[in-house]
Amino acid sequence: GIQVEQSPPDLILQEGANSTLRCNFSDSVNNLQWFHQNPWGQLINLFYIPSGTKQNGRLSATTVATERYSLLYISSSQTTDSGVYFCAVRLGGGFKTIFGAGTRLFVKA
Amino acid sequence: NAGVTQTPKFQVLKTGQSMTLQCAQDMNHNSMYWYRQDPGMGLRLIYYSASEGTTDKGEVPNGYNVSRLNKREFSLRLESAAPSQTSVYFCASSEKATGVGNQPQHFGDGTRLSIL
Repeated sequence: GIQVEQSPPDLILQEGANSTLRCNFSDSVNNLQWFHQNPWGQLINLFYIPSGTKQNGRLSATTVATERYSLLYISSSQTTDSGVYFCAVRLGGGFKTIFGAGTRLFVKA
Repeated sequence: NAGVTQTPKFQVLKTGQSMTLQCAQDMNHNSMYWYRQDPGMGLRLIYYSASEGTTDKGEVPNGYNVSRLNKREFSLRLESAAPSQTSVYFCASSEKATGVGNQPQHFGDGTRLSIL
């Protein structure tokens, strides 16, 4: 089955720093989402981005479907950005969604 | 704007007990999903319902049953709980039922289930 790999697995940043999180997937997908799981366990939708580039405030994401990867950029990080960032992909026209293992981010004040 | 509502938020069971987790969405979505998240891992799909009246197995369906009660509600049942089913359970919904371009999934806040 499809493999989803996220890197790095863990990341510690000083407040104000920028970072790039990566999601590689092993097969063609038509649906990719980035989520932030906050310290309370809630899953927050960040981007629905099967292809192209989107921006929302300090966050932006780019998916290059033909090369099977997606990037999440966090600029001017804040302590509230701490948590786990997941990418999730869905195959073809189906419903089975595969999550990566996540990148655990800690932003220090 | 409730979105996806899960009940209960927390539950402790003894091995062998049964339990139904409830999920309801108010976004008029066709598709609904149940996931489990084990410590330090991403979510894994248990079952999904592409549309009202249909259910299908996901990645880890063993030990679970589901019911799509109507368009709004999708329940997950543990018939005989086992310690290996201790996890956080998430329900999600999405807009389109089929085809390319399924819309993004929206998640509930989770149910934290411990089985002793």
